[in-house]
Amino acid sequence: NAGVTQTPKFQVLKTGQSMTLQCAQDMNHNSMYWYRQDPGMGLRLIYYSASEGTTDKGEVPNGYNVSRLNKREFSLRLESAAPSQTSVYFCASSEAWGLMGRGQETQYFGPGTRLLVL
Amino acid sequence: RKEVEQDPGPFNVPEGATVAFNCTYSNSASQSFFWYRQDCRKEPKLLMSVYSSGNEDGRFTAQLNRASQYISLLIRDSKLSDSATYLCVVKRTALIFGKGTTLSVSS
Repeated sequence: NAGVTQTPKFQVLKTGQSMTLQCAQDMNHNSMYWYRQDPGMGLRLIYYSASEGTTDKGEVPNGYNVSRLNKREFSLRLESAAPSQTSVYFCASSEAWGLMGRGQETQYFGPGTRLLVL
Repeated sequence: RKEVEQDPGPFNVPEGATVAFNCTYSNSASQSFFWYRQDCRKEPKLLMSVYSSGNEDGRFTAQLNRASQYISLLIRDSKLSDSATYLCVVKRTALIFGKGTTLSVSS
């Protein structure tokens, strides 16, 4: 049981290049999330998928697109990378979205992808 | 005003010390509350949920005061392994993370 996995672990891009960050979970969770973490800013939600087949914008969606490929996988795409997108990206999953019983709200995070855009 | 505010620290304490972290949140509609722990260059992990009645897990005690919109985490008998950043998290629909409080426990 690997939990939440992310690839790649590290990536260096040039401004304008595109890339896709991959995320997969094996906990049969319904909801998945993408966050970015910047120094002094805390974790901020980029996009989320409450359930398979749905995606919604979070706090900082500009410059990103997402795809919920199936229940297990949720990818984040940068179409034209910018230096402002240099960050650590975390994928997370939880049993369900919204108000739930105790324990079901817990989000489990992947190890992160460190992205540098030059 | 940030929705979730924490003292960034760092808190530098010796082993065995008791340390308390405070957190305030601005949106009274927040309905769930958590403390997450994040080790250096690692992912956040749930430390404990915070309930209105207060709850304890070993050396860790969490308290919630809804009237004051205040959350606390108390760590007793600090260990070297407690060194980490502690994130205060509130939930309305999405999780809102504080910036974290850094704890360094020394021998």
